[in-house]
Amino acid sequence: NAGVTQTPKFQVLKTGQSMTLQCAQDMNHEYMSWYRQDPGMGLRLIHYSVGAGITDQGEVPNGYNVSRSTTEDFPLRLLSAAPSQTSVYFCASTHGSSYEQYFGPGTRLTVT
Amino acid sequence: GQQVMQIPQYQHVQEGEDFTTYCNSSTTLSNIQWYKQRPGGHPVFLIQLVKSGEVKKQKRLTFQFGEAKKNSSLHITATQTTDVGTYFCAGPRVQGAQKLVFGQGTRLTINP
Repeated sequence: NAGVTQTPKFQVLKTGQSMTLQCAQDMNHEYMSWYRQDPGMGLRLIHYSVGAGITDQGEVPNGYNVSRSTTEDFPLRLLSAAPSQTSVYFCASTHGSSYEQYFGPGTRLTVT
Repeated sequence: GQQVMQIPQYQHVQEGEDFTTYCNSSTTLSNIQWYKQRPGGHPVFLIQLVKSGEVKKQKRLTFQFGEAKKNSSLHITATQTTDVGTYFCAGPRVQGAQKLVFGQGTRLTINP
């Protein structure tokens, strides 16, 4: 099993550009989440999904969209990038009977 | 909203010294999890505590869950250079939900 995979590893965007961060898991986990990590602020939940077709907002959803068309994939879309979205983004998945989160390797995003 | 506070934010120790990080929640938690993130890496699950007053050990690491289920601690005995990293605690936002709120983390550095 590859676990949770994320692409790209690094990305530089200009203000106003859009892009999609990809996340996939091969563990058949129902729950998937997107977090951003900024220095001194821990991990903050952006969006969350309990299964295909169902998504929910987290703590910091503004500026981000998600969809979950399959169990495996949970892409995160930045519609119009802003410098405040410079961060490291982690995708995570969880089995329905557990709280343990499996994290992907992360995407380091810089918006200039 | 629900908050999870973690102290200290940074800790520097000599190799062989002990280390403790503390986690406090504004609300009662159904469970608490601990994660470790190596520099440049992604968070990795260490353990989950569920019962009031629970104590669990993993080699040199001792985890405690408070009697009121609002605080927790991680203690490392005789630190080694492999312990370097940031330690996060996390609890569910709503009881029974896999949506987690993370503490800010404690970054541990070690002088060999």
